[in-house]
Amino acid sequence: EVQLVESGGDLVQPGGSLRLSCAASGFTVSTNYMSWVRQAPGKGLEWVSVIYPGGSTYYADSVRGRFTISRDNSKNTLNLQMNKLRVEDTALYYCAREEWLGYWYFDLWGRGTLVTVFS
Amino acid sequence: QTVVTQEPSLTVSPGGTVTLTCASSTGAVTSDYSPSWFQQKPGQAPRTLIYSVSNKQFWTPARFSGSLLGGKAALTLSGVQPEDEADYYCLLYYGGTRVFGGGTKLTVL
Repeated sequence: EVQLVESGGDLVQPGGSLRLSCAASGFTVSTNYMSWVRQAPGKGLEWVSVIYPGGSTYYADSVRGRFTISRDNSKNTLNLQMNKLRVEDTALYYCAREEWLGYWYFDLWGRGTLVTVFS
Repeated sequence: QTVVTQEPSLTVSPGGTVTLTCASSTGAVTSDYSPSWFQQKPGQAPRTLIYSVSNKQFWTPARFSGSLLGGKAALTLSGVQPEDEADYYCLLYYGGTRVFGGGTKLTVL
């Protein structure tokens, strides 16, 4: 079955670090466009970061310089290293697969993992 | 900072028609922005309804359609059903980055 399962969400204090993982089944992470999207409690969706098959990475302004997206090809996982966490980073973090066929689209979503940053 | 704007909330009667729009602070939305639409119901992950302006996923009901309208991306629901009550988000692509709209809460009443 083709699916994404996130893990690593936890409670953490401001200034702390956390590493999220997203395990893929049924396809290879390294040959796909993979994104992280987050949703603060009661708020809308916010795109966070993407990694391309060639290794290029892009970030939202709100996380650039603090978050790092990467892949672990041996485990077929997508990762998000989050440093210098802020209260406003509290959210449900989804990983998602994108396709590029001359146009873009999100074709697969995980169920999310919850990150809570509290003082 | 690029901002994508949607109507915060809309109300429609069952069987009616409603259009949700998605505007970019950078100017007119075109197909180059690969506009997509997502539906999210409480407690669920988002799911893609429309991509690249008007293309549908296999699970997207025929009553949903996407278009470009007056410089914006648009999602039209014709013959609205009670189960269409949900939050709807658009997404636009700006080179390597993506930006979601703030979402539209659709109430069927």
